[in-house]
Amino acid sequence: EDQVTQSPEALRLQEGESSSLNCSYTVSGLRGLFWYRQDPGKGPEFLFTLYSAGEEKEKERLKATLTKKESFLHITAPKPEDSATYLCAVQPFKAAGNKLTFGGGTRVLVKP
Amino acid sequence: SQTIHQWPATLVQPVGSPLSLECTVEGTSNPNLYWYRQAAGRGLQLLFYSVGIGQISSEVPQNLSASRPQDRQFILSSKKLLLSDSGFYLCAWDRVNWYEQYFGPGTRLTVT
Repeated sequence: EDQVTQSPEALRLQEGESSSLNCSYTVSGLRGLFWYRQDPGKGPEFLFTLYSAGEEKEKERLKATLTKKESFLHITAPKPEDSATYLCAVQPFKAAGNKLTFGGGTRVLVKP
Repeated sequence: SQTIHQWPATLVQPVGSPLSLECTVEGTSNPNLYWYRQAAGRGLQLLFYSVGIGQISSEVPQNLSASRPQDRQFILSSKKLLLSDSGFYLCAWDRVNWYEQYFGPGTRLTVT
């Protein structure tokens, strides 16, 4: 069974204090790993898709990396507007209908 | 561009009452459609997905059901709500060979 574990559950940062979020996964044949950002009371917003180990993608202050067992979301010099819950999800090759399995998320709070 | 709509945005219903949540997608054809539920502070749990009109797959046994009467319309229903049905319901879509899922704004359901 596919499993995704995110850590830490919550992260409090000072503005400008860089940090990393972890997403560990177990899947039988990874098609893709996805990162989303979710603001309170809203639907998740797509950030990145990573397909193979060693791949990296960047967007503003966010950088996602992938290994064979985990993915990291690095937040460089965060600003208060980066406060959100970050969700990680995996999709196996055998996924019927492109199903995603999500982790529990990491709540990030960036204080000014 | 594609957009996804959900309504209502919020709903408060008594135990035992029926439920109907609607999701529509604009700007694409023959999308895969998904219903997720998110409990407070938790990750997303896939409830149903559909790869075409009238084709529904259920992921979790429960008192909910889903229907897809039109290509870009997905409906989540229940005949009798339970307290445990409370949560944040999210609809999502993707294309057959394009694996990134895009989410709607969600419906906050409170069963009292």
